Formats: sequence, C-alpha cells, structure tokens
Amino acid sequence: GENVEQHPSTLSVQEGDSAVIKCTYSDSASNYFPWYKQELGKRPQLIIDIRSNVGEKKDQRIAVTLNKTAKHFSLHITETQPEDSAVYFCAAGDSSASKIIFGSGTRLSIRP
Amino acid sequence: GAGVSQSPSNKVTEKGKDVELRCDPISGHTALYWYRQSLGQGLEFLIYFQGNSAPDKSGLPSDRFSAERTGGSVSTLTIQRTQQEDSAVYLCASSSDGRDTEAFFGQGTRLTVV
Repeated sequence: GENVEQHPSTLSVQEGDSAVIKCTYSDSASNYFPWYKQELGKRPQLIIDIRSNVGEKKDQRIAVTLNKTAKHFSLHITETQPEDSAVYFCAAGDSSASKIIFGSGTRLSIRP
Repeated sequence: GAGVSQSPSNKVTEKGKDVELRCDPISGHTALYWYRQSLGQGLEFLIYFQGNSAPDKSGLPSDRFSAERTGGSVSTLTIQRTQQEDSAVYLCASSSDGRDTEAFFGQGTRLTVV
C-alpha cells in the first residue's frame, strides 16, 4: 500500500519569505496529490491539489510541483503572511486500497 | 446540510464508559474516513469505508474501537471502556470516490475522558 513521508515536521520562516514542504510517496500508480491546511482548532481543508498528468500547478501564492519519476511532490508558499501559520498535510491516493493516505503534517510558523 | 456533520462536537465521559460518535457525510459520497488527532499531532487513520466493500479497519488501535456505516451513509464510531489515552479530536471525512477526489472533513468531536 501507499506510504507518504512528509518533511519537515516544523518550519519557521520570516514573514515575506518562502516556505517549502516536501513529501515522498511509494505507490507509483498514485495519480492524485492534495494538500490540506489545518488552522488552529479548525478542520483540515483542501488548499490545492495536483494530478499526475501535470508537473506543476499554481494558485496565487501557492504552488505544488510533482516529480513522478522520483515520486515526490512539494508545496511552495511565496511571500508568506501571518495567516499562513497552520499545519499542512500532504496526501496521496492509494491505488490498491482506493483511499487517501496523509503525511504526518508540517507545522508552519510565520515570524513577524 | 452541505458539509460533513459530526456530533456531538464535545463529549466528556468517565473512564470505563462507552461512547458513540456520529458522522453524517456529504450526500452521495461513497468514501468515509475516521481519523484521530491528539493535541498538536497529525492525523491518525482509524477506519475507512468505501461503498459496499468491506471496511479497512487496519488503523483501529484496539478491539475497544469499532465503527459501522449503515445504509452507506451515516457512520458511528464506538469506543468501549474508554481510557484517558482515548482523549483526542475524532475527525470524520468523506469523498465522492476515495482516492482521486477531495476529502471533506467534519468539524470533529473533541473527546475528553476523565
């Protein structure tokens, strides 16, 4: 089955700088890679996702890249703002179990 | 409602008591997940239902935990003989097909075992 590894577990960046979170996956048949943001005390919510037929997707200050050969994908947040402080989870679809597998999460803190 | 609904939102129970947590998924969603999240921690997978297939129970931490999904819709997570280490937020999520579409989360049930 699918295994998703996420790094780093915590990340602190200066406001205005960029943040990068990286994930690797094991199932070469996976074709769906969502990212979720969980603000303190709230439920996880989808912020961006990418499918295996593209290598990069961008939505304003957020971008995700996918390298299918290396089986890794990354979340990039540019011009970070205080409201970006949250826990971010990557995930990948498990083709055999037909379900989503989540990474362990990254706690992102934005320093003023 | 339009989203995933969980009840109760908060539950305080005495050690040794049984509790039932309820999840109403989005109508038409065939996939339903239960996760446990301890304070400041990640999403611990518990159980997964997909349509009429046998549920994936590989994440249940002990035989005190069980879950049902009746009629392919509402799900109930039951914890028997609760222990203090069961204290956590229990999150339910549903998606239209399981592996290739967005999972929508409920607001969670905060369980406190005293």
